[in-house]
Amino acid sequence: DQQVKQNSPSLSVQEGRISILNCDYTNSMFDYFLWYKKYPAEGPTFLISISSIKDKNEDGRFTVFLNKSAKHLSLHIVPSQPGDSAVYFCAASPTNFGNEKLTFGTGTRLTIIP
Amino acid sequence: DAGITQSPRYKITETGRQVTLMCHQTWSHSYMFWYRQDLGHGLRLIYYSAAADITDKGEVPDGYVVSRSKTENFPLTLESATRSQTSVYFCASSEVMNTEAFFGQGTRLTVV
Repeated sequence: DQQVKQNSPSLSVQEGRISILNCDYTNSMFDYFLWYKKYPAEGPTFLISISSIKDKNEDGRFTVFLNKSAKHLSLHIVPSQPGDSAVYFCAASPTNFGNEKLTFGTGTRLTIIP
Repeated sequence: DAGITQSPRYKITETGRQVTLMCHQTWSHSYMFWYRQDLGHGLRLIYYSAAADITDKGEVPDGYVVSRSKTENFPLTLESATRSQTSVYFCASSEVMNTEAFFGQGTRLTVV
């Protein structure tokens, strides 16, 4: 039972345009969400997070939007750059403290076309 | 160098053999984790540890054993490797359970 779903295994975007990566979740107890980025042959690196008290969090070119009623979050990258080509994982947890575990999605491979 | 390191980076082993994957972190983070990454499954938590001598199961713990006698080390042992344990294994650490975690570079394990 996949509680965190990334329904697009891959996405190609022209350099300079906006990349939108989507993530849906089924567990209504999830309250804290993170995005990780992974290059080939490397470990994932943390990108950005959001808690349910917000509906948007921004860090430079990266913005995460949270729609709790739809159980949906998205990561926007503007403008997209070749170095953004990577696999992106979303992850969710019932809280950002305590011993609740993170649940990861299956990942979306983003390719930025020069 | 500060960071989290895994060894070996690549390992081929035979079915039934015992194999240990090593993980070492220099930040003195309380939490350490082992994940496996498989196509179609993303990252799945195998075991985690909240502190030295405190470990707990994750989503897919069967066939694995962990220990944490020192804060900085968190080895993962496959007691009798099976082909289904062929995967890429990532160790991670964090100061708080679900905040930003730092991942190692991964160990690609092939069981033949």
